[in-house]
Amino acid sequence: DTEVTQTPKHLVMGMTNKKSLKCEQHMGHRAMYWYKQKAKKPPELMFVYSYEKLSINESVPSRFSPECPNSSLLNLHLHALQPEDSALYLCASSPPGREQYFGPGTRLTVT
Amino acid sequence: GNSVTQMEGPVTLSEEAFLTINCTYTATGYPSLFWYVQYPGEGLQLLLKATKADDKGSNKGFEATYRKETTSFHLEKGSVQVSDSAVYFCASQTGANNLFFGTGTRLTVIP
Repeated sequence: DTEVTQTPKHLVMGMTNKKSLKCEQHMGHRAMYWYKQKAKKPPELMFVYSYEKLSINESVPSRFSPECPNSSLLNLHLHALQPEDSALYLCASSPPGREQYFGPGTRLTVT
Repeated sequence: GNSVTQMEGPVTLSEEAFLTINCTYTATGYPSLFWYVQYPGEGLQLLLKATKADDKGSNKGFEATYRKETTSFHLEKGSVQVSDSAVYFCASQTGANNLFFGTGTRLTVIP
């Protein structure tokens, strides 16, 4: 099973809302990632968790707050987003240093 | 530093045509190399990989050979189908470091 699941598939939120994106994998991978992808661009790395600890934060604004409750789950909490934050948010997982497996993404629209 | 340069798209081919998408990399050390495919409205899927020089990755009729002497990892398929229409990303990774993506190449196959 090489599946990474993400919920919700689509999300529309206002600039004053608080929402969360969820990601789950059951492959025993100890590294998990959040990426942001704008149209016609490659994914941009946001955060990396390794063994449930935040190891990389690519200078992401504080309105994005990641959380890794356990080795299978990864959340991205959203608050006071801007319209330019509208994008496809991808979660990925991997054994540390190995190939990454991506989820289907959450299409976020900020109004 | 690490970077990946990928053939500019878009590429339009007739069904059963031969496909080549060029990819070259620069890296410190010896990277692993990957091709990911993204179908419309979906996340990235790992298409194939190679972890050392002269390795050939293959999957679903696609192939790519890790060429250290030319620092290349070109994607090829002998006979494309309409269902191969997607965006293809070349990527490199060294050790536990991040994935470095190329800009992506959009392929459209027409019947």
